[in-house]
Amino acid sequence: QVQLVESGGGVVQPGMSLTLSCAASGFTFSRFGMHWVRQPPGKGLEWVSLIWFDGSDKNYADSVKGRFTISRDNSKNTLYLQMNSLRVEDTAVYYCARDLIAPNYGFDYWGQGALVTVSS
Amino acid sequence: EIVLTQSPATLSLSPGERATLSCRASQSVSSQLAWYQQKPGQAPRLLIYDASNRATGIPARFSGSGSGTDFTLTISSLEPEDFAVYYCHQRSNWPDTFGGGTKVEIK
Repeated sequence: QVQLVESGGGVVQPGMSLTLSCAASGFTFSRFGMHWVRQPPGKGLEWVSLIWFDGSDKNYADSVKGRFTISRDNSKNTLYLQMNSLRVEDTAVYYCARDLIAPNYGFDYWGQGALVTVSS
Repeated sequence: EIVLTQSPATLSLSPGERATLSCRASQSVSSQLAWYQQKPGQAPRLLIYDASNRATGIPARFSGSGSGTDFTLTISSLEPEDFAVYYCHQRSNWPDTFGGGTKVEIK
């Protein structure tokens, strides 16, 4: 069965860096676009970043552009999110999510989430 | 960016009742809209994709309709496990955006 398992969350001070990982299994990882979506405590969902199935294109929300980098290693079935210059407002649960294959639109599988807390 | 406005913010209903949730887009998203259910402490779960297609394993009591700017998620008869927060999500224009959510609570 499809599984997405995030790791790497934790507590960091403002300005520091953190890298999240999302280990995928149960499907052909290299065929699917992947996303990061975050959710601040008690609030709604915010899309963060997308990487195409082959890593050839990436997109970022304006709120993280220039600070976060999405990448993937298809040989390891793993998605990454490197987060630099973290801010208090980046505090959230970060989910990785699998994209449906075009022409369908939606995120059909989600990880359990990794909590990132940015606090001094 | 496209703004998705969900209404109502909270819906208080009893099991067995019909729930009608609305999502309005600030500009047309064609049919590129999805609906998710989220329960406390859990990840979102895809219910509906492309506005009206049920995702794998989703019960028939969930249905989606609409296109352009106005969309509806209907739960025909609420089961106890359906009380949760529901989000709409558009992929028509970058960046992806989510609505603010509708909480369906037990009356």
